[in-house]
Amino acid sequence: DAGVIQSPRHEVTEMGQEVTLRCKPISGHNSLFWYRQTMMRGLELLIYFNNNVPIDDSGMPEDRFSAKMPNASFSTLKIQPSEPRDSAVYFCASSVGRDTQYFGPGTRLTVL
Amino acid sequence: TQLLEQSPQFLSIQEGENLTVYCNSSSVFSSLQWYRQEPGEGPVLLVTVVTGGEVKKLKRLTFQFGDARKDSSLHITAAQPGDTGLYLCAGARGGGATNKLIFGTGTLLAVQP
Repeated sequence: DAGVIQSPRHEVTEMGQEVTLRCKPISGHNSLFWYRQTMMRGLELLIYFNNNVPIDDSGMPEDRFSAKMPNASFSTLKIQPSEPRDSAVYFCASSVGRDTQYFGPGTRLTVL
Repeated sequence: TQLLEQSPQFLSIQEGENLTVYCNSSSVFSSLQWYRQEPGEGPVLLVTVVTGGEVKKLKRLTFQFGDARKDSSLHITAAQPGDTGLYLCAGARGGGATNKLIFGTGTLLAVQP
């Protein structure tokens, strides 16, 4: 079975541009998580969904960040407008309820 | 605010040596997990400990959860180059339908052949 799929794997953009990161969770998983990893702050939970409903977005840094899950097989994380400090690796993970979270390979975002 | 502090931050050892990584917090967690992350990949779960004082072994890796469920340790015996990676502990909170994880600061391990 395919694991969590993220696209793109790498994204380079200029400050002020809109960035959209995509995630396809493992089929049958009902929880989806978005994380951000940086050297300074480590791995941080941004937002998570259960059954396509956002449960906790307290980790979303600013209003420039938004996340959606229109159906059980797709989620997006959008940054508009992007800033250099948003440069990081963004991970999506999925799970069945409280069971093991499986992480995708991540999207490395660079904002110039 | 980083709730889970890991030590050491970096560790470079020779193949065959033993090592211990610590994960400490002032908060109580319902369970604690250890992950290993390799370059260019996402973290992969190694183990989950749930009960205070619990000890779990995974081949050469031994994991312990503190009695008060605030801290944990990972001990590797006879380290091998394949053990190289970033080790992350993560505390789980909440009794809801989903595990909300708070990750530690990480320990970067390099095992030299």
